[in-house]
Amino acid sequence: AQTVTQSQPEMSVQEAETVTLSCTYDTSESDYYLFWYKQPPSRQMILVIRQEAYKQQNATENRFSVNFQKAAKSFSLKISDSQLGDAAMYFCAYRSPRANFGNEKLTFGTGTRLTIIP
Amino acid sequence: EPEVTQTPSHQVTQMGQEVILRCVPISNHLYFYWYRQILGQKVEFLVSFYNNEISEKSEIFDDQFSVERPDGSNFTLKIRSTKLEDSAMYFCASSARGRGYTFGSGTRLTVV
Repeated sequence: AQTVTQSQPEMSVQEAETVTLSCTYDTSESDYYLFWYKQPPSRQMILVIRQEAYKQQNATENRFSVNFQKAAKSFSLKISDSQLGDAAMYFCAYRSPRANFGNEKLTFGTGTRLTIIP
Repeated sequence: EPEVTQTPSHQVTQMGQEVILRCVPISNHLYFYWYRQILGQKVEFLVSFYNNEISEKSEIFDDQFSVERPDGSNFTLKIRSTKLEDSAMYFCASSARGRGYTFGSGTRLTVV
């Protein structure tokens, strides 16, 4: 079974600075998807960024980018120019592309609570 | 942008009562899911549903739980006899094959 590990329960960063959140995972599959989700106090799950394992290029979405190291099974999230609205829980998630089996469930890490210091 | 809609947003129920949580997935999605998040903990997979049947369920999804897609649009989670430990945020999600995966805004279930 796949597992996802987030070793930083809490992180803080000064507003406008850069912060990196860590995520490692364990899998025997060669093709899969990785995600970062943001959960603000409203508790809604908001997709931040997505990476396909077969793509070597790291995904970017505006101020958010990932460092995907497939051999090391590492998938970190970098937030540049941090803003107060970035304060939230961030969850790393793994998805197996087993669509033929009718299931594309997500396996989540335990989350990192990010605080932005004004 | 298409949304997954969940109702109600908050439900309070007495221990032992049955509850039904409702979801309207995105119309062209084929896979449907329920996840649970106990306060302060990680999001846990409960069940996936595809082609009108359960495709996988977790250890949490015991005989007290059931899912149904009664018509072409709704997807429901029923808890037959609620326990205190069922208090959590329940998220519905839907996905298209190999593509977008969208969560609803959740139903906060409080069992008293």
